[in-house]
Amino acid sequence: AQKITQTQPGMFVQEKEAVTLDCTYDTSDQSYGLFWYKQPSSGEMIFLIYQGSYDEQNATEGRYSLNFQKARKSANLVISASQLGDSAMYFCAMRDNTDKLIFGTGTRLQVFP
Amino acid sequence: KAGVTQTPRYLIKTRGQQVTLSCSPISGHRSVSWYQQTPGQGLQFLFEYFSETQRNKGNFPGRFSGRQFSNSRSEMNVSTLELGDSALYLCASSRAGATNEQFFGPGTRLTVL
Repeated sequence: AQKITQTQPGMFVQEKEAVTLDCTYDTSDQSYGLFWYKQPSSGEMIFLIYQGSYDEQNATEGRYSLNFQKARKSANLVISASQLGDSAMYFCAMRDNTDKLIFGTGTRLQVFP
Repeated sequence: KAGVTQTPRYLIKTRGQQVTLSCSPISGHRSVSWYQQTPGQGLQFLFEYFSETQRNKGNFPGRFSGRQFSNSRSEMNVSTLELGDSALYLCASSRAGATNEQFFGPGTRLTVL
């Protein structure tokens, strides 16, 4: 069965430091996509970054980068130079072969001054 | 370009009532997916509509239904509400064939008393 695992319920990071949020996935499909979303307390899911299973280079979007290790089935999110506004829930998700998203349980990130 | 919009943002209903939630996708997006988010079950896929047809369905009872109109706007309906239906209902849209995107709306927070 396809599954996303986020083992860190909560993470703390000091402002301006980098932080890595872990995500591992399980699938037997050869073609799949991996997403990271940020969910502030308002509830909206904000798209951060996408990695396709055939993409050879790690995806980057501004301060966000995805450390994609296909053999290990991991897709960790790296946030560089954390800001107070980065405090939120972060969800890793996988697009399965029916095109629906399967989400992990999320990691609550708190950035402190 | 306007994002995904959902109405209403907040809703309070009592057990046994029915409710209809609305989602307007980003202009040009023809796929609309619905997700339920609860503290206990996390984010779960409800269904997806494409060109007015339900293309994919999650594991929810028949009380949950939806439809899509010719302008790609979608509605979901929950009949005979139960306390456990209290959740944040999120809608996401994407372009046809765009496997690397799913943009979410702000959600509708439903409380069943």
